[in-house]
Amino acid sequence: DSGVTQTPKHLITATGQRVTLRCSPRSGDLSVYWYQQSLDQGLQFLIQYYNGEERAKGNILERFSAQQFPDLHSELNLSSLELGDSALYFCASSPRPSQDYGYTFGSGTRLTVV
Amino acid sequence: GESVGLHLPTLSVQEGDNSIINCAYSNSASDYFIWYKQESGKGPQFIIDIRSNMDKRQGQRVTVLLNKTVKHLSLQIAATQPGDSAVYFCAEKSTGNTPLVFGKGTRLSVIA
Repeated sequence: DSGVTQTPKHLITATGQRVTLRCSPRSGDLSVYWYQQSLDQGLQFLIQYYNGEERAKGNILERFSAQQFPDLHSELNLSSLELGDSALYFCASSPRPSQDYGYTFGSGTRLTVV
Repeated sequence: GESVGLHLPTLSVQEGDNSIINCAYSNSASDYFIWYKQESGKGPQFIIDIRSNMDKRQGQRVTVLLNKTVKHLSLQIAATQPGDSAVYFCAEKSTGNTPLVFGKGTRLSVIA
């Protein structure tokens, strides 16, 4: 167990729907990162939060949004889902974004859009 | 088991042999590098890191080499074991609030 908890582990939904993925960071970590892993793109950075505030954005679609709550857990919201959104979504955490630490990853949520 | 299903380069190694996995990184400003291991159905797991002021770092059975001149990183695994079978990713980061950027990965297959 890495200490980063992601729920649910699997999600199957239809095109056009909206889903929420949840992440609890490792105890003591203030920064949360979301990554998407699909067949042909590897691990793509989506968005980063630090202590409740957005700190960096990657190639995140406008249909996707995220937030980090006061208890430091984070949610990634995916709306108007398309078949191409099917992927593994990983959350990772680190103590602080500006320091050189490896990220600790959760076990991911596998999203299947049908 | 569940696989990420990526179309990756594959390295096949005999059990007991040494493995070398290579990575070319893109950003000359990157100064921190990490190797991750991803087993089927799991998230990436930290293996070893290296900062740009070093060219070599050793861990338990693993060594990372960094050549900044040609922007090349390698991971050496000694006495490769079946449990080493996984996808290996290099990741790079530059100083400050920049996220880790991952390479495309290499699948290591250990032949018993």
